[in-house]
Amino acid sequence: DSGVTQTPKHLITATGQRVTLRCSPRSGDLSVYWYQQSLDQGLQFLIQYYNGEERAKGNILERFSAQQFPDLHSELNLSSLELGDSALYFCASSVVGGAEAFFGQGTRLTVV
Amino acid sequence: LAKTTQPISMDSYEGQEVNITCSHNNIATNDYITWYQQFPSQGPRFIIQGYKTKVTNEVASLFIPADRKSSTLSLPRVSLSDTAVYYCLVGDGHYSSASKIIFGSGTRLSIRP
Repeated sequence: DSGVTQTPKHLITATGQRVTLRCSPRSGDLSVYWYQQSLDQGLQFLIQYYNGEERAKGNILERFSAQQFPDLHSELNLSSLELGDSALYFCASSVVGGAEAFFGQGTRLTVV
Repeated sequence: LAKTTQPISMDSYEGQEVNITCSHNNIATNDYITWYQQFPSQGPRFIIQGYKTKVTNEVASLFIPADRKSSTLSLPRVSLSDTAVYYCLVGDGHYSSASKIIFGSGTRLSIRP
């Protein structure tokens, strides 16, 4: 158990819909990362937050957004979903950027 | 960010020592080298991190030559449970508030009985 909690574990939704993925970081970790992993793309870095502020951005689509709340949990919002958005979405946390990151078990999103 | 190159796949046998080498020719002065392990449908797990020379922990050793243009992850006496994908990362922003932890393609390690 990494100490990072992601909910839900599985999500099935239709194209065009919007979903929210939730991540609770390890206690004391200020940095949260989001990743997308699909079969043909590998682990894609989406975005990083530190203590509530966006600090680094990767290949995150405009249809996707994220935020980190004062209690340090984070949410990844995916809208106008397409079949190609089907993937495993991982959240990770670390004390600060660049330090050892702990990953959650992921949310498996299936868009039908 | 420094680009990393590592073998796509490797095979070995139980009880052997496995060395996975990663090239990072454009590593910056303040970059650290980090290795992660990932099993299917699970999140990556941190293995080891280093800056120079040699780092050892309970699961692996990391060898970094003086020029830091490459690094080698050494797994002693592997078992079937070490079958996984291993990622070499070279990261900026070590111990700062901003960091992109960028994963490459990784090395798919298969251990046979």
